[in-house]
Amino acid sequence: SQTIHQWPATLVQPVGSPLSLECTVEGTSNPNLYWYRQAAGRGLQLLFYSVGIGQISSEVPQNLSASRPQDRQFILSSKKLLLSDSGFYLCAWTQTSVYNEQFFGPGTRLTVL
Amino acid sequence: QKEVEQNSGPLSVPEGAIASLNCTYSDRGSQSFFWYRQYSGKSPELIMSIYSNGDKEDGRFTAQLNKASQYVSLLIRDSQPSDSATYLCAVNPPSAQKLVFGQGTRLTINP
Repeated sequence: SQTIHQWPATLVQPVGSPLSLECTVEGTSNPNLYWYRQAAGRGLQLLFYSVGIGQISSEVPQNLSASRPQDRQFILSSKKLLLSDSGFYLCAWTQTSVYNEQFFGPGTRLTVL
Repeated sequence: QKEVEQNSGPLSVPEGAIASLNCTYSDRGSQSFFWYRQYSGKSPELIMSIYSNGDKEDGRFTAQLNKASQYVSLLIRDSQPSDSATYLCAVNPPSAQKLVFGQGTRLTINP
């Protein structure tokens, strides 16, 4: 069966510090991968998605970037965090298909102080 | 008009009653529709998928799709306190490798 991992689970970082969040999927190959952010009490905002190694689509301009160095690894980064980057970061995967059923990882709760 | 809209909530339902959650979408060519449940502080969990017009039942949950009206709903029968959560509607627009989510409806089941 497929599983998706995210780490760390929680993170407290000062403003201006760098960020690296990692997501890995097991039990599947060539998945589509997604990064979402959810601010407190708000809906899901799609940040990036990837349909293959090295292929990144950005949904919103901001100080975040994403990379996909391996088939089942998706990384979210920032060089300098802002207060507004605080939130719940969720990675999701889907097996490429016409239906696009997505499954979410456990998430990383980021607080920027 | 938002791409996916859900009734704003919060929605409060007595235990044992039917909870009805509604969602409309703007892109008529959309083919796949999903309901996710999100408990406070947790990640969304897929609970129902529906792809064709009509009803799809899974235990106490029934998803209903009407493509002509661009409307998706989720019915929860015999509501339990454990059903208290935020429910997210998601739609896969045509030719898109992504989902569009509604803002969610917070549901509270009162014992």
